[in-house]
Amino acid sequence: DVKVTQSSRYLVKRTGEKVFLECVQDMDHENMFWYRQDPGLGLRLIYFSYDVKMKEKGDIPEGYSVSREKKERFSLILESASTNQTSMYLCASSPMGTSWANEQFFGPGTRLTVL
Amino acid sequence: SQQGEEDPQALSIQEGENATMNCSYKTSINNLQWYRQNSGRGLVHLILIRSNEREKHSGRLRVTLDTSKKSSSLLITASRAADTASYFCATVTGGTSYGKLTFGQGTILTVHP
Repeated sequence: DVKVTQSSRYLVKRTGEKVFLECVQDMDHENMFWYRQDPGLGLRLIYFSYDVKMKEKGDIPEGYSVSREKKERFSLILESASTNQTSMYLCASSPMGTSWANEQFFGPGTRLTVL
Repeated sequence: SQQGEEDPQALSIQEGENATMNCSYKTSINNLQWYRQNSGRGLVHLILIRSNEREKHSGRLRVTLDTSKKSSSLLITASRAADTASYFCATVTGGTSYGKLTFGQGTILTVHP
């Protein structure tokens, strides 16, 4: 079974702190994604990566950056956390497909609170 | 705005009944996927239907796709209390193989024992 793990289930940080959220997948997937989930807004894509050292902006990249130094690991970085970044963060991975996208496999999520 | 919009936003039924959730979208798609999320957890993929398919089954799940109406429905038959969760549709558009999904806001399903 595909396993996607995230470094923390719950995280509390202060405004202005630099925050790292880590995601690791064990199925050699090429694609990895970071989403945030907020009530009434569903899941919104922050960044994704289709290869090591490659990254693409999603729909809401402002205030975030990412790093993919190894194929299995995709990190989301909040350079200076703000209260409006309080949210549930979900990481996902998928294999490289053809023109038909494959299912995504999700981690358990990190609930981040910024005070 | 979200590509996929689910309807209803919340659904409450008794165990054994069928549950139907609908999803509408705005632009042409490559495929449409349904996911389930148990409270406070990650999403689990349920079923994928391609744009050239009209119906697909997986166990107690039946998904239909009407590309002319830009809509899909998810039917859960003989529901169980364990089906209580949020259900999301997600669409894939464009010609890349990256698998970029656009999610709707979800339907909260409650199944009472």
